[in-house]
Amino acid sequence: QVQLAESGGGVVQPGRSMRLSCAASGFSFRSYDMHWVRQAPGKGLEWVAFISFEGNSKSYSDSVKGRFTISRDNSKNTLYLQMDSLRTEDTAVYSCARDSPYEDAFDVWGQGTMVTVSS
Amino acid sequence: SYELTQPSSVSVSPGQTARITCSGDILAKKFTRWFQQKPGQAPALVIYKDSERPSGIPERFSSSKSGTTVTLTISGAHVDDEADYYCCSAADNFWVFGGGTKLTVL
Repeated sequence: QVQLAESGGGVVQPGRSMRLSCAASGFSFRSYDMHWVRQAPGKGLEWVAFISFEGNSKSYSDSVKGRFTISRDNSKNTLYLQMDSLRTEDTAVYSCARDSPYEDAFDVWGQGTMVTVSS
Repeated sequence: SYELTQPSSVSVSPGQTARITCSGDILAKKFTRWFQQKPGQAPALVIYKDSERPSGIPERFSSSKSGTTVTLTISGAHVDDEADYYCCSAADNFWVFGGGTKLTVL
């Protein structure tokens, strides 16, 4: 069964750091590009970051560039999002998503982990 | 950066045709995807590569493009189709979602 499971969310103060993880199972993780997408409470979807299947190509939305770092460990089937200098506007549910090369779209999503940035 | 514009809400009665638009310059050159999100659930892909349906998505879901506007059409909407719908596109590994449209079927 193809699954993505995020972890690592919680409450953090502004300016602090947090690392999210996304554990993949049921498919060949090392063969897929991956993304992080977030959704603030009551708001729409916002793409956050991309990483290629080998990890040598990355991109970020303007709102997180320079503060967030996406990475992966294909030996552990795990995707990461290191979030530094967190702001209150980063409060959201963060989800990882698989990028299907055939459909050229996010075909598998995790349920997400909530990150609350508050003093 | 790119922007995609959707209406905030669309409302139809069961059995009617629902149309949700998505506009943006990027759409003239790049593929559009559509996602359906029901409360408390992860988004689900309903259209990819402008007009293709993933396996398991009913035929009543279709999409078409004209210039910089893409239209998701749900023919004979069911009560179960009530959800938020998001268009999405990408260029050079930078992705963008539309603001989302709340579809009400009642």
